[in-house]
Amino acid sequence: GAVVSQHPSWVICKSGTSVKIECRSLDFQATTMFWYRQFPKQSLMLMATSNEGSKATYEQGVEKDKFLINHASLTLSTLTVTSAHPEDSSFYICSAWGGGGTEAFFGQGTRLTVV
Amino acid sequence: AQSVTQPDIHITVSEGASLELRCNYSYGATPYLFWYVQSPGQGLQLLLKYFSGDTLVQGIKGFEAEFKRSQSSFNLRKPSVHWSDAAEYFCAVDSGYSSASKIIFGSGTRLSIRP
Repeated sequence: GAVVSQHPSWVICKSGTSVKIECRSLDFQATTMFWYRQFPKQSLMLMATSNEGSKATYEQGVEKDKFLINHASLTLSTLTVTSAHPEDSSFYICSAWGGGGTEAFFGQGTRLTVV
Repeated sequence: AQSVTQPDIHITVSEGASLELRCNYSYGATPYLFWYVQSPGQGLQLLLKYFSGDTLVQGIKGFEAEFKRSQSSFNLRKPSVHWSDAAEYFCAVDSGYSSASKIIFGSGTRLSIRP
């Protein structure tokens, strides 16, 4: 299957700082990328959907000013957690979809810990 | 709105025993259906998927799933589990690929293996 690379795989940051997570489709062009959040022992919750070159669509209850999503190219989307707080500590996973009759492929996830 | 229900939060089976994990979905048309596995602290691995055609789908690691439209179910089965199968299993539904669709996950079923 296609490869989606997520970086970093884990990050620790101080409260109040911002953290950027990258999601890259390595061998295909991603028409759409999705960002999920997973709390311990819980399921994945969709945060937002981004299409290349346009603004992301956020799910209800997700603060767009806190979770900035940029999908500047067909192979790269970034999620920036701004002014991070301990309650933002979570596992963040991206997926990328190349369009047509294909499935979305998932990155390996990023574990964010805010101290 | 589409949804996915996994009624079993936690299942324990003996090594070598058979396994069935339940999944029910709610969607107006025939959705695309997936089963993913997640080991602790890891990303998602796709076990199998159903798009159309044969309702019995074979996946990796000896898993299979059967799509039953009349029951809106897509249960995951394995005839003989191995200790390495212990993980979290997620059923997911996608509304299709005619537009930028998104995958919705069930709450997950944690599988423990008894030696």
